[in-house]
Amino acid sequence: AQSVTQLDSQVPVFEEAPVELRCNYSSSVSVYLFWYVQYPNQGLQLLLKYLSGSTLVKGINGFEAEFNKSQTSFHLRKPSVHISDTAEYFCAASNGGSYIPTFGRGTSLIVHP
Amino acid sequence: EPEVTQTPSHQVTQMGQEVILRCVPISNHLYFYWYRQILGQKVEFLVSFYNNEISEKSEIFDDQFSVERPDGSNFTLKIRSTKLEDSAMYFCASKRENTGELFFGEGSRLTVL
Repeated sequence: AQSVTQLDSQVPVFEEAPVELRCNYSSSVSVYLFWYVQYPNQGLQLLLKYLSGSTLVKGINGFEAEFNKSQTSFHLRKPSVHISDTAEYFCAASNGGSYIPTFGRGTSLIVHP
Repeated sequence: EPEVTQTPSHQVTQMGQEVILRCVPISNHLYFYWYRQILGQKVEFLVSFYNNEISEKSEIFDDQFSVERPDGSNFTLKIRSTKLEDSAMYFCASKRENTGELFFGEGSRLTVL
């Protein structure tokens, strides 16, 4: 089974600044990768996913992530954040065998005005 | 837009009591899941359900837990005799295809006193 590491529990950033949320996973074999966002008092919503093909994946709300097989990473980036991006962000990974995502601990993105 | 709905949003119960958490997955989805998130910790996989039976379960999903799809729409998680450590947010999720993305509900917060 995969394990997923999100090194940063909290990332504070000012509005309109760029942000990167880091994610590393344990195994590159047939890996599927996801980023979910959780706004306060809401469920988990898919931001983007990597299943195959281009290593740069674009998602909703201006976010993108890059699959880096050699570094087993799938970092999430946004060039200019907005106050409304304040939320909890979860990286998840699954293998081709079970397709059941394993989640990281989450990173709290706090956008300051 | 179709969504996964969960009830109750918050339940407080006494240790040793039985709890049933309810979920209505998206109507044409075939794969159903329960995850939980203890406060400040990872989102953890509990169980997956397909074709009216459990397809996978984690070590957390012991004999105190059970799942059921009693009719064509509901998917329930029962905890037979709750413990303090069962206090968590429980998320239901569903997907149409095995390789597809998970759609999550807003969660049911369980507090065991």
